[in-house]
Amino acid sequence: DAKTTQPPSMDCAEGRAANLPCNHSTISGNEYVYWYRQIHSQGPQYIIHGLKNNETNEMASLIITEDRKSSTLILPHATLRDTAVYYCIVQAGGYQKVTFGTGTKLQVIP
Amino acid sequence: GAVVSQHPSRVICKSGTSVKIECRSLDFQATTMFWYRQFPKKSLMLMATSNEGSKATYEQGVEKDKFLINHASLTLSTLTVTSAHPEDSSFYICSATPGQNEKLFFGSGTQLSVL
Repeated sequence: DAKTTQPPSMDCAEGRAANLPCNHSTISGNEYVYWYRQIHSQGPQYIIHGLKNNETNEMASLIITEDRKSSTLILPHATLRDTAVYYCIVQAGGYQKVTFGTGTKLQVIP
Repeated sequence: GAVVSQHPSRVICKSGTSVKIECRSLDFQATTMFWYRQFPKKSLMLMATSNEGSKATYEQGVEKDKFLINHASLTLSTLTVTSAHPEDSSFYICSATPGQNEKLFFGSGTQLSVL
């Protein structure tokens, strides 16, 4: 079973920041928070991941609460191409299997 | 960056035939690969974990005789849907990781339609 909870859908105006929340209250100490997204009819794409510190890369920022029970993915300036389903996943190290929850369908509106 | 290639991207077959889907890691070795299936407007469902040189580990409810997985090399895993039926029509996706604590790379998926 998925270990994360996300809102099923969100809208965001083009050019504005998109903030996607994720709850992972049962996360273990050795589990990372990963974010992937899936554009229609394609394989998922990695966005960002973190353990306890906030992270930023060319695509997004990841804010993890101090207790690690929730996180927020931030797309600073959403474009129409960011319309996709976004999946938050907790994943331990090693080769453990990765299961997906229902994700958040982000619709970027012109 | 690391790339996972999946082939074919789309296949249409007659009921009762078998279909093979290939998943290759192009620039890294993958001792473990994962196979997912996805129905329209649904999330990815893990089917099995493919281990190089050993038997795959199937998730509960997935028929191992129906979905044959072979991981004969460090860069190739195959999924064969045997005696396909219309209910097997789905989007199949593979993924692989270069190593422990690494992100997953996904293939572009295979849309299987069984007539």
